[in-house]
Amino acid sequence: EVQLVESGGQLVQPGGSLRLSCVASGFIFSDYWMHWVRQSPGKGLEWVSRINTDGSGTMYADSVEGRFSISRDNAKDTLYLQMDSVRGEDTAVYYCVRDVRDTYSNYWFDSWGQGTLVTVSS
Amino acid sequence: SSALTQDPAVSVALGQTVRITCQGDSLRVYSVSWYQQRPGQAPKLVIYYNNKRPSGIPDRFSGSNSGNTASLTITGAQAEDEADYYCNSRDSSGKQYVFGTGTKVAVL
Repeated sequence: EVQLVESGGQLVQPGGSLRLSCVASGFIFSDYWMHWVRQSPGKGLEWVSRINTDGSGTMYADSVEGRFSISRDNAKDTLYLQMDSVRGEDTAVYYCVRDVRDTYSNYWFDSWGQGTLVTVSS
Repeated sequence: SSALTQDPAVSVALGQTVRITCQGDSLRVYSVSWYQQRPGQAPKLVIYYNNKRPSGIPDRFSGSNSGNTASLTITGAQAEDEADYYCNSRDSSGKQYVFGTGTKVAVL
């Protein structure tokens, strides 16, 4: 069974830093691209970032570009999101998501963690 | 990134059919997937590659994508289908990923 377990969410002051982790199990982690998706309280889903299988390719939403950094440790089956210079609008539940794609680069998000809550407030 | 637009809310009588739409220019080029989110839960994939159902998803869920509009149809809606539904695809540049604005489905 595929499992994604996020951790690291907590209360952080504006301008501060935080690192989220996601431990994967039940599948070969190094075979899959991974993403972070967030959801602010009472709002919709927002894609944040993605990383390819070996970590050599990353991409970010404009709203977090230059402040957040995605990485992975395939030996530890773990995905990370380093969040720097956080702002109030970064308050959200952050989901770790597995990406499945076919040979034509069509993709979909087939597995989601339960999420970890980040609250940015003074 | 370009947006994907959905109606904020729709309602359907128990056992009837409801169609949820998702509009965006990128849908002319890229495939779409759909996610169901029940209150307090993580999103769950219900349709991928425009019209494919993952194993375990009831066949009352179906999808289509034509022109700039994708649709998710629930035929014979059940009480457990009451949830928020989001579409997802690439943006117009093809480099980023974008979710629709979400549709709240109420089953009456």
